[in-house]
Amino acid sequence: SQQGEEDPQALSIQEGENATMNCSYKTSINNLQWYRQNSGRGLVHLILIRSNEREKHSGRLRVTLDTSKKSSSLLITASRAADTASYFCATDARGAQKLVFGQGTRLTINP
Amino acid sequence: ETGVTQSPTHLIKTRGQQVTLRCSSQSGHNTVSWYQQALGQGPQFIFQYYREEENGRGNFPPRFSGLQFPNYSSELNVNALELDDSALYLCASSLQGADGYTFGSGTRLTVV
Repeated sequence: SQQGEEDPQALSIQEGENATMNCSYKTSINNLQWYRQNSGRGLVHLILIRSNEREKHSGRLRVTLDTSKKSSSLLITASRAADTASYFCATDARGAQKLVFGQGTRLTINP
Repeated sequence: ETGVTQSPTHLIKTRGQQVTLRCSSQSGHNTVSWYQQALGQGPQFIFQYYREEENGRGNFPPRFSGLQFPNYSSELNVNALELDDSALYLCASSLQGADGYTFGSGTRLTVV
């Protein structure tokens, strides 16, 4: 079963706009990770945020984590056509030995 | 430093057959996890191998089994294939006790 819920399920925006995706989860976590997947291929790790962190940046990516609400958001600024992909959040619970993924958000960037 | 390599990339099998998928872990990693991703879904954890032993298992039947070798590479075996086993199978390597996983490109299995 999936731990997380991602919102929205699909998002279509114009190139240059910002894209925001949200993730909610159910249990206590050690960290939360975001991955990108192009056309059913492998997962590419984007960013990891630990449970004691509230915000993290990497290039055009900004991730926030609110452990009291059990939620996270991924912001992609100044989107490009190459950002078109599915984005997944995954939680890593302490001692769980596994990642639990959400259903993903399909992001389409229109040129 | 090499990444995670999976083989084959695509595979078509008949219902009832058996299949073996292979994964080479990233250099420096000692743990391998396997995930099944059905079309339109997020990946689901199958199991993890560390020190050549199963180190955690998801909600998958016993016909899903695995191995880890001394060089940390791994195999996923699925017996008595069913149509619902059609999916992308992803392997991820990691270092036990450290954060972060590196995923391979996956094996697309189609059962007909």
